[in-house]
Amino acid sequence: LAKTTQPISMDSYEGQEVNITCSHNNIATNDYITWYQQFPSQGPRFIIQGYKTKVKNEVASLFIPADRKSSTLSLPRVSLSDTAVYYCLVALFGGYQKVTFGTGTKLQVIP
Amino acid sequence: GAGVSQSPSNKVTEKGKDVELRCDPISGHTALYWYRQSLGQGLEFLIYFQGNSAPDKSGLPSDRFSAERTGGSVSTLTIQRTQQEDSAVYLCASSSPRDRNEQYFGPGTRLTVT
Repeated sequence: LAKTTQPISMDSYEGQEVNITCSHNNIATNDYITWYQQFPSQGPRFIIQGYKTKVKNEVASLFIPADRKSSTLSLPRVSLSDTAVYYCLVALFGGYQKVTFGTGTKLQVIP
Repeated sequence: GAGVSQSPSNKVTEKGKDVELRCDPISGHTALYWYRQSLGQGLEFLIYFQGNSAPDKSGLPSDRFSAERTGGSVSTLTIQRTQQEDSAVYLCASSSPRDRNEQYFGPGTRLTVT
């Protein structure tokens, strides 16, 4: 299983763009990258997933360089409600399997 | 539609007692996952089911932990002879055959062992 490394915490002011980078140096060819968001006292919620280049949805963008050894979750114009823990996962594409969540990045949005 | 549900939402038990935690996945979701999250920590994988079988039980912390799934639907996580270190939030998730990469999580069961 590919190990991921993320910053433990980040602070941002409201209205700013936030970029959270995850390192996954030993990602395998068939691995995909997924990001989840977790609010206090709730289960994680899927945000976005990708394999390479750039993926965008209504919530966030995901940037993956050509070597795929890292990925960056970009949250545009964050608000206080984006305060949460963000987890980066790397796992086999399309497979049922053991999935490892790291400790995540705790994002604190400041008014 | 209905999401993943878990019961009970909270459970307080005495050390040494057995507990059963229940998970009802989203209808039609063939994969089911159990995780544990201690206060302020990340998620710890426990076990996953593909249908009724559990290909990977490597995350179960000890032989006091067991899980089963019947009818490809409801799953029960059982902890025997609970210990204080078992106190945590136990989260269940499920995923569909069409999009196995996206897990839908339940609200969790908060277990406190006194």
